[in-house]
Amino acid sequence: DTEVTQTPKHLVMGMTNKKSLKCEQHMGHRAMYWYKQKAKKPPELMFVYSYEKLSINESVPSRFSPECPNSSLLNLHLHALQPEDSALYLCASSQPILAKENEQYFGPGTRLTVT
Amino acid sequence: AQRVTQPEKLLSVFKGAPVELKCNYSYSGSPELFWYVQYSRQRLQLLLRHISRESIKGFTADLNKGETSFHLKKPFAQEEDSAMYYCALRGGTSGSRLTFGEGTQLTVNP
Repeated sequence: DTEVTQTPKHLVMGMTNKKSLKCEQHMGHRAMYWYKQKAKKPPELMFVYSYEKLSINESVPSRFSPECPNSSLLNLHLHALQPEDSALYLCASSQPILAKENEQYFGPGTRLTVT
Repeated sequence: AQRVTQPEKLLSVFKGAPVELKCNYSYSGSPELFWYVQYSRQRLQLLLRHISRESIKGFTADLNKGETSFHLKKPFAQEEDSAMYYCALRGGTSGSRLTFGEGTQLTVNP
C-alpha cells in the first residue's frame, strides 16, 4: 500500500461542534504531518509527528489538537472552530527525517467547511 | 530563514511549446529542492527532487546554486500538464519542515 488515506473527504461543522479528521498510512513511515491549504495557496505546515511524538507545532491555535495513536494513524481533533478555519486539510507521511529518501507523500485531503 | 519564490502565479502556453516554471530560493546552507504538482481535484504529489536528477513525465529541473534557482522545464508541453506546480525547499536545520513557494498555475492550451 503506497497511499496516504484521509477520512472524511468532506466535513461541514458548526462552530460549537467537535469533530475529528483521520489519516492513515501503511508505508512504514515514521514521520507524519498535518497541513492546512486555502484555495490557490500552498500548504501551510501545522504539526509534525516523528516516531509518534509531536516534534513541530507551528503555533497552531488550541482548537486544533493532533494525536498520533500509533505509527500508522494520525488524527486531528477539532473543537470550537471559526469560519476562517474552512480549508483543505492535508495529511502527509515520510520516512524518518534523517533518512535519505524522505520525501513527503500526501493524502487527498479533507475539505472542511465551518458554518 | 528559508524562502522560495515562484515569480509567476499564472503561466499559459500552447501544446507542443517549451515551458519553464521558475523557482528561486533563499537559504544559507545546502538545501533539498523539490517540485510538487497538484492536478485538478487530485492530491499533491511529488514530481521531482533535485537529488535524484531524473526526468519525470518529460520534466527536468537542475539545481543552480550560483543563481539559487531550481527551474522546472519541459521541451514540449502537453494539455495534461495543466496543473498547479509548487516548488519546495527543505533546509538541513529545519528538519522535516518543507517551505513551499506560492505556486504557478500552468495552463496548456490546445
